[in-house]
Amino acid sequence: DVKVTQSSRYLVKRTGEKVFLECVQDMDHENMFWYRQDPGLGLRLIYFSYDVKMKEKGDIPEGYSVSREKKERFSLILESASTNQTSMYLCASSLVGGNIQYFGAGTRLSVL
Amino acid sequence: GQQVMQIPQYQHVQEGEDFTTYCNSSTTLSNIQWYKQRPGGHPVFLIQLVKSGEVKKQKRLTFQFGEAKKNSSLHITATQTTDVGTYFCAPHGGTSYGKLTFGQGTILTVHP
Repeated sequence: DVKVTQSSRYLVKRTGEKVFLECVQDMDHENMFWYRQDPGLGLRLIYFSYDVKMKEKGDIPEGYSVSREKKERFSLILESASTNQTSMYLCASSLVGGNIQYFGAGTRLSVL
Repeated sequence: GQQVMQIPQYQHVQEGEDFTTYCNSSTTLSNIQWYKQRPGGHPVFLIQLVKSGEVKKQKRLTFQFGEAKKNSSLHITATQTTDVGTYFCAPHGGTSYGKLTFGQGTILTVHP
């Protein structure tokens, strides 16, 4: 069975802290994605990666960076967390070519 | 870039009533996917439509892809409380790396 695991379900951080959100998939998928979900705004793509060490900016990359050192792991980094980054963060993975995306359970991040 | 409009944003129905959500794109699509997110859950893939004018059914759910491949709809017949959740369309414009643009979602509430 397909599995995408996000390291934390809930996270509370202080403004200015460096925050790491981790995502691991066990399906040998090439593509991995980070989204944030806010009420009324749907799913907005932050960054995606189509191969190890390869990354592309999504629609809202400002304030975020990513790392993909291994195929199964895709990390989202908030260099200096701000209150407007309080949100639900969802990781997803897929095979190449626009295929089905499989989502993790999400991490609800609160920045105080 | 690709613009996606999903309507309505909210829909409240009595159990047993029908429900429809619409997805419109500004550009011709390669294919479109639909996802469902239960309250407190993560998006889960429902179906993918590829052909112009395609109609697919899953029990009480009917999915349609427009003839011009610019719009799609999801219709639920005789809603049940288990249908509660947010329904997202995810058009794929044929770009590389499997990147999807998600609609804003339609939040469905079903009153027993």
